[in-house]
Amino acid sequence: ELKVEQNPLFLSMQEGKNYTIYCNYSTTSDRLYWYRQDPGKSLESLFVLLSNGAVKQEGRLMASLDTKARLSTLHITAAVHDLSATYFCAVSNYGGSQGNLIFGKGTKLSVKP
Amino acid sequence: DSGVTQTPKHLITATGQRVTLRCSPRSGDLSVYWYQQSLDQGLQFLIQYYNGEERAKGNILERFSAQQFPDLHSELNLSSLELGDSALYFCASSGGQLHYGYTFGSGTRLTVV
Repeated sequence: ELKVEQNPLFLSMQEGKNYTIYCNYSTTSDRLYWYRQDPGKSLESLFVLLSNGAVKQEGRLMASLDTKARLSTLHITAAVHDLSATYFCAVSNYGGSQGNLIFGKGTKLSVKP
Repeated sequence: DSGVTQTPKHLITATGQRVTLRCSPRSGDLSVYWYQQSLDQGLQFLIQYYNGEERAKGNILERFSAQQFPDLHSELNLSSLELGDSALYFCASSGGQLHYGYTFGSGTRLTVV
């Protein structure tokens, strides 16, 4: 059974600081997804990491994937308040984008001035 | 607009009742997934349909059922509702030739009173 674990589950940061969210998964997968969710809202796709060693950056967020270690990281650089949200990583149960996604529990990020 | 349309956005109903949630997938996507998000359980996969056929089942209660119609829209039926069924229900779609990845609808917030 595929399991996805995120840590930390809660993260309180000061503006301007850097931090990393970790996502481990239990079975082989070549693709990993990161989503952002604001309270009561839908899941917004941030990154789709398609292969080992993939690195993608958007603004202050950078995601990477190490399929051998079954680990993905989401790095936050110089955090700002607008980044406050819950971040989820997810892996497809059957690889690619054909199976259901299994989600981590989410990391609730709070950026304080 | 993500391309995945869910209706209604909000639903308030009494215990014991039955409701139907509707989802129209992104154009070209053949798979539809239903997820339940509650505070204590996180994002739980319920069921997947692919081109009209049930493809995978997750933690879906026997009181819940779903189907996907020839035009690829899907409905999730929840019956004999209990207070604990109050949650956000998301639909997602994937698998089309035009896109990769999974796209989520805006969700239906169900409140059982």
